[in-house]
Amino acid sequence: DSGVTQTPKHLITATGQRVTLRCSPRSGDLSVYWYQQSLDQGLQFLIQYYNGEERAKGNILERFSAQQFPDLHSELNLSSLELGDSALYFCASSEEGQGYSPLHFGNGTRLTVT
Amino acid sequence: GNSVTQMEGPVTLSEEAFLTINCTYTATGYPSLFWYVQYPGEGLQLLLKATKADDKGSNKGFEATYRKETTSFHLEKGSVQVSDSAVYFCALSDQGGSEKLVFGKGTKLTVNP
Repeated sequence: DSGVTQTPKHLITATGQRVTLRCSPRSGDLSVYWYQQSLDQGLQFLIQYYNGEERAKGNILERFSAQQFPDLHSELNLSSLELGDSALYFCASSEEGQGYSPLHFGNGTRLTVT
Repeated sequence: GNSVTQMEGPVTLSEEAFLTINCTYTATGYPSLFWYVQYPGEGLQLLLKATKADDKGSNKGFEATYRKETTSFHLEKGSVQVSDSAVYFCALSDQGGSEKLVFGKGTKLTVNP
């Protein structure tokens, strides 16, 4: 058990809809990262937050947004969903905002857009 | 930009066979290198890491050596077990400022009894 909790485990929704994925980081970890895993693109970094502030941005679409709250949990909002957004979305956390601190991954949220 | 290339799978081996999964990288500066493993239905777990040239990371019988001259970080295990069946990801982190991990596409390993 990594200590990172993601909810929900599965999400099925229709095109055009909006969903929110939630992540609770490991106790004591200040950094939260979001990754998208799909068969064709592999693991793509989306965005990182450190202690409530955006730290780094990757290949995140404008339809997607995220935030980290004062209690350090994070939410990833996906809107105007398209079929191609179907993927596994992983949250990870680390102790500091340093790239060489090991990332601890949650088990992911599987999003299916129909 | 930074990138990681790892051998395409899937890789199928018999128990006790020798495993090598190749990984090469492109990066500016001096990245840290990692191998992560993903078991079915789970998130990724750190398997081993190396933070500077010639470092050898090792864990659970797996090892990889950071080779700056060949920009490689190949994963090896002398004798695989059925329980090693998983997807293995090579990754790098640019210590120069970027704090995200860049992953390879993953290599699926299946070990048959």
